[in-house]
Amino acid sequence: EVVLTQSPGTLSLSPGERVTLSCRASQSINSRYLAWYQQKPGQVPRLLIYGAASRATGIPDRFSGSGSGAEFTLTINRLEPEDFAVYYCQQYSNSPWTFGQGTKVEIK
Amino acid sequence: QIHLVQSGAVLKRPGASVNVSCKASGFTFTAYFIHWIRQAPGQGPEWMGRIRPNDGATIYAQKFKGRVTMTRDTSTSTAYMEVSGLTSDDTAVYYCARSGVHNWFDPWGQGTLVTVSS
Repeated sequence: EVVLTQSPGTLSLSPGERVTLSCRASQSINSRYLAWYQQKPGQVPRLLIYGAASRATGIPDRFSGSGSGAEFTLTINRLEPEDFAVYYCQQYSNSPWTFGQGTKVEIK
Repeated sequence: QIHLVQSGAVLKRPGASVNVSCKASGFTFTAYFIHWIRQAPGQGPEWMGRIRPNDGATIYAQKFKGRVTMTRDTSTSTAYMEVSGLTSDDTAVYYCARSGVHNWFDPWGQGTLVTVSS
């Protein structure tokens, strides 16, 4: 099973700042089969990024994904108030598909 | 619009079984996969398995094999998941989600809270 480790666990930031979230896999992920999701309290996870770098429909361009192999990054430029949430990475290279434990982005 | 609408919250006793439904609309049910994912309080999501509605073929995470059964009814575009032998560790929100050939999940159902308590 591929274990995804996200860091840091929590980030305290102000609106307008740039944030970089990390997702490290326990083994190399084929073909950049990595997705990112956003989850706000009491809400359903929302797909942000698939294929490591492709934005899902309707996702603002301040969200970007990068990486390959076992190291992936989600970057949010100019944090908006609605971006404060928990972010999860997910790999779909090897079954069982697995998620990271999440990074919480909170208002400073 | 693409929607996955799940059945409502339930309270179950330890040892019981639970059945959760997921009704799809806005897309061709048999052209995609339906996955089941659960999220325990304060935890990240956990993938449980998937069903291919076209032929009913299933894949289960090893952890859930023998305890989880996924089925579908193509006449109503509804997927079902049954979990048996419930324990308090099964208390979680259970989601269904759609994927194509690549297993990213979009969209998700609204979630079904399953509480296991005596």
